[in-house]
Amino acid sequence: QVQLVESGGGVVQPGRSLRLSCTASGFIFSTYSFYWVRQPPGKGLEGVAVISFDGSNKYNADSVKGRFTISRDNSKNTVFLQMNSLRPEDTAVYYCVRDLWGGDPSCPFHWGQGTLVTVSS
Amino acid sequence: NFMLTQPHSVSESPGKTVTISCTGSSGSIASNYVQWYQQRPGSAPTTVIFENNQRPSGVSDRFSGSIDSSSNSASLTISGLKTEDEADYYCQSYDSSNWVFGGGTKLTVL
Repeated sequence: QVQLVESGGGVVQPGRSLRLSCTASGFIFSTYSFYWVRQPPGKGLEGVAVISFDGSNKYNADSVKGRFTISRDNSKNTVFLQMNSLRPEDTAVYYCVRDLWGGDPSCPFHWGQGTLVTVSS
Repeated sequence: NFMLTQPHSVSESPGKTVTISCTGSSGSIASNYVQWYQQRPGSAPTTVIFENNQRPSGVSDRFSGSIDSSSNSASLTISGLKTEDEADYYCQSYDSSNWVFGGGTKLTVL
C-alpha cells in the first residue's frame, strides 16, 4: 500500500533553513507527481509546492516563491522541500501528498502523516 | 487570485443529511476537478471525494460530491450522519498552476 513518511521538521530560528524529506514506498515512485501542503496550528490547508513525476515541472505558492524549492530523487524514492529564509508564519505541519494518477499533477490523493516545523527565536 | 469559499461551520443531528458548499471566486468551477478531504482532530487529511464525484474505495457511500455550474460551486453531501463524521472538511481545486484549498468547514454532529 502507499506509504509516505515525512521527516526533517523541528524548531528553527527565523532566517535559517530546513530541508524536509518525504520517503515513499508501496508503488513505482518515478511515475507520480507530489505535493507539499502545510497547515498552521489551528488553521486550514495551504498548497506550498508541486513537482511533476519527472521533475521537469515545479510550482510554488506565492507565499514561498524565492524561498522554498521542491525537488525529488527518484533513485531514493524521496521528495524534498528545501526551505530557506524561514519566517514565523511558516510554522505549520507540512504534509507530503501523492497524486492519484501517474503522470503530471492532477489529483492530490494520498497523504502522509506530516512533520511539524516551528520557526521561533 | 482564484479562491474557494466554504462555510466556516455546519451542524446537524445524527441520521440527517448535510451539504457543505465550496464556491469558486471566478471562472468556472466546472473547468477543473474538485476534491474533498476529511480531517479528524489530530489526524492527517484523507480523501473522501475526488474528481468532483468519485468516491475512493473504502469511503462510505453516504458521501457524495457534485458540481453546480449555475452557482459556480461544488458540494459535499453526507447522508445518514454519524458521530464519526464530525471533522473538518476541505475542498480543493486548481487554477492556472495554483492548487487552491477552501478555508475548511467544521462539521458538528450533535
